Formats: sequence, C-alpha cells, structure tokens
Amino acid sequence: DVVMTQSPLSLPVTLGQPASISCRSSQSLVHSDGNTYLNWFQQRPGQSPRRLIYKVSNRDSGVPDRFSGSGSGTDFTLKISRVEAEDVGVYYCMQGTHWPLTFGGGTKVEIK
Amino acid sequence: QITLKESGPTLVKPTQTLTLTCTFSGFSLSTSGVGVGWIRQPPGKALEWLALIYWHDDKRYSPSLKSRLTITKDTSKNQVVLTMTNMDPVDTATYYCAHWVQGTKTVDYWGQGTLVTVSS
Repeated sequence: DVVMTQSPLSLPVTLGQPASISCRSSQSLVHSDGNTYLNWFQQRPGQSPRRLIYKVSNRDSGVPDRFSGSGSGTDFTLKISRVEAEDVGVYYCMQGTHWPLTFGGGTKVEIK
Repeated sequence: QITLKESGPTLVKPTQTLTLTCTFSGFSLSTSGVGVGWIRQPPGKALEWLALIYWHDDKRYSPSLKSRLTITKDTSKNQVVLTMTNMDPVDTATYYCAHWVQGTKTVDYWGQGTLVTVSS
C-alpha cells in the first residue's frame, strides 16, 4: 500500500497568518496516464470531509482562493495564504493513483 | 445537486454482519465514469477506504478487509449496499459513502456519515 505521511500533526496558526501542510507518499503518484491523483480534504469539527483540491492543484468550486495545492512525484503541499477562523479542522491528503486508495493521517489546524 | 445518505444500524454485536445502504440522488450509477465509495473513520482517527463500485459494476476492496466486505449496487433504486461480516469492536466508526469520479480518481460529494458502534 502507498503510505501517505502528513506533517505536522498539529498546526497552531495566528489568524491572518499563512499555514502550510506537507504530504509525502511512499511511492510516486504519477499515474500511467501522466496525471498525478493527489487530493486534499478539509474536515471541520462534526462535519463530513469536503474536497478542496484535486489532481495536486485544482481548486474545487466554492473553495476560497487562499487555499492552494502544489507538488509533484512524492512530495505535496497544501497552503493557506491567510488563515481564517472557518479554516479550523483536520486536513487530509489522499492518493487516487494506486489501489488501495489511501489517506494521510491528518493535520489539525487550530487558532493560536 | 448530488446528495448521498447512509442508513443502517447504529449498534451491532460482535460477530454480526453489518449492512449499510447509501441512497443517493443527482447522478446515476449507469453513467460512465461514476462510482460510489465507502470510507470509514474510527472516533478521533483518520479516514480509511473500504470499497468502491464503478458504473460498469467493477468492484474494488481494501485488501486488509476484502474477505469481509461485499459492495453491490441497485441502479434502479439509486442505492449502493455495503456488507461487512464478523464485526468487531475495532470496527466502531463513522461510515461514509461518497460520489466517485473516475476522471479525477477521487470522491467529491460525501454523505453525512453514520456512526456504527460494535458492542455486546
């Protein structure tokens, strides 16, 4: 199985400041079709996960542009340019390139 | 508008079989490129993929749980059913179903989830 390792586990951030979450995979996420199927999900307290980013850097409709995804191969990053109170929650990366599909362990974003 | 909703028992006993139903609207499982997946989340823990069924009825299972899982679809009822045999307390989790898009190889819309507790 592809292991997805996120860091940090916990990320205290001051409102208005940037935040960055790392996700590393145990093998390349480049699919045989040339695409890289790396996604980011946000799970607010008590809610279902919500997809933010798909295929590394494509933002979903309705997702604020302060969220951005980048990376390639085995190394990926989710950035929040200016953290707002509504961004509190747990963020998960997920790979769709290899079966079984796997999630990272999650990064908890909280306000300092 | 795509919506999904999970239903099933909230409490099962060890060794029993769990049957969960995902009832959805806003898409058809007969449409090419579409699927429905099941994901679970133990309390306070991370997400775990369980199973996926595609529009053409191909099925994928988590290797670690494959012997215990069965996923089926009823296209006419817009439902997907997941059964998990020999339930154990470690299977206590919130179970989610979600809409799968083959083109992006991921899920986009999720159900609200249903908490299943395994206890005698």
